[in-house]
Amino acid sequence: AQRVTQPEKLLSVFKGAPVELKCNYSYSGSPELFWYVQYSRQRLQLLLRHISRESIKGFTADLNKGETSFHLKKPFAQEEDSAMYYCALSPFGNEKLTFGTGTRLTIIP
Amino acid sequence: DSGVTQTPKHLITATGQRVTLRCSPRSGDLSVYWYQQSLDQGLQFLIQYYNGEERAKGNILERFSAQQFPDLHSELNLSSLELGDSALYFCASSVAGGRFDEQFFGPGTRLTVL
Repeated sequence: AQRVTQPEKLLSVFKGAPVELKCNYSYSGSPELFWYVQYSRQRLQLLLRHISRESIKGFTADLNKGETSFHLKKPFAQEEDSAMYYCALSPFGNEKLTFGTGTRLTIIP
Repeated sequence: DSGVTQTPKHLITATGQRVTLRCSPRSGDLSVYWYQQSLDQGLQFLIQYYNGEERAKGNILERFSAQQFPDLHSELNLSSLELGDSALYFCASSVAGGRFDEQFFGPGTRLTVL
């Protein structure tokens, strides 16, 4: 069975400092990995996915199959990055998303 | 609002009761997903429908059932409710329900079972 682990429930970072939100997964095949974000009073929305290999709002995430990780990074945090972040996995050939428990990121001005 | 809509926003009921949660997908989306988020938990996938047919099933209890109607809206029925069923229930929709299709989420229905 697949599993997504986000070890940090809460993370506080000063504005301008680097951000790294950790995500580890367990799955024996080739999964599709996602990061979803929920800003205050807004809906859960897709931030980025590993197949896109793009940077969204300055965030990037690299899939490390050896370490089974998909950490989300941003070099310089901004106040508007404060939100709840969820890492999610979709197994190969399967549309079901498995979510982690989320990390609440707070950017300190 | 052309996004995913869910009704009601809040629902308070008693143990043993039955409730129905409703979801309308984005215009043009054929697939609907249901998720449950209990306190301090990640979203748990319950069930997916595509164009009226069940596509995938997750950890959905036998007391729960769902369906997708010809107009593509979906309903999640929860019966014999227990305290532990208190949670946020999210609906999401995607164009075709494929692995790479982005899922768009609704605002959720908060269910409280007393």
